Amino acid sequence: AQSVTQPDIHITVSEGASLELRCNYSYGATPYLFWYVQSPGQGLQLLLKYFSGDTLVQGIKGFEAEFKRSQSSFNLRKPSVHWSDAAEYFCAVALYGNKLVFGAGTILRVKS
Amino acid sequence: DAMVIQNPRYQVTQFGKPVTLSCSQTLNHNVMYWYQQKSSQAPKLLFHYYDKDFNNEADTPDNFQSRRPNTSFCFLDIRSPGLGDAAMYLCATSRDRIEQFFGPGTRLTVL
Repeated sequence: AQSVTQPDIHITVSEGASLELRCNYSYGATPYLFWYVQSPGQGLQLLLKYFSGDTLVQGIKGFEAEFKRSQSSFNLRKPSVHWSDAAEYFCAVALYGNKLVFGAGTILRVKS
Repeated sequence: DAMVIQNPRYQVTQFGKPVTLSCSQTLNHNVMYWYQQKSSQAPKLLFHYYDKDFNNEADTPDNFQSRRPNTSFCFLDIRSPGLGDAAMYLCATSRDRIEQFFGPGTRLTVL
């Protein structure tokens, strides 16, 4: 069955430290890949996406993600976390014309 | 700026009292989606419109209905809200059925 796995439910990092959020997918083909961020009580904001081409994609707010076909992964990274990055992060995948499938989400806490 | 707008942002209704949530978009996208998101969970797709064609998810309860009178507007009707329907409801749009743009959501409380 097609699925998206975010193995970390909660992650806590210190402000200024680096961040990596993990995402693995299970699909027969390479899907379209997304990372969304959701602040409490808000909608989802697209951070970045991968459709094809360069496997390292840059997004908004200083985030980047790397697609690794051999590992079926699309991990999100940020070199230096800010307190305002505290939110919930969702990895999502889609095949053309099909619905978006979300991971369970990772809640990021930033400590000062 | 082009955007997805949801009204109201917060809605309180009584158990069993019908409620309608609204979504509008200025992106001129032909696909519109409704998601339900419960606390600490991922969004769950309820249904979507591709132009005027309605596509219901198999596990969406009959209590949930939708209308799309034109390209810009889409409504979510909950005919008889139960306590289990309390959630955030997210509207999204797409031009290409790949990338989706989300609205800010409506938080529904059922008393």
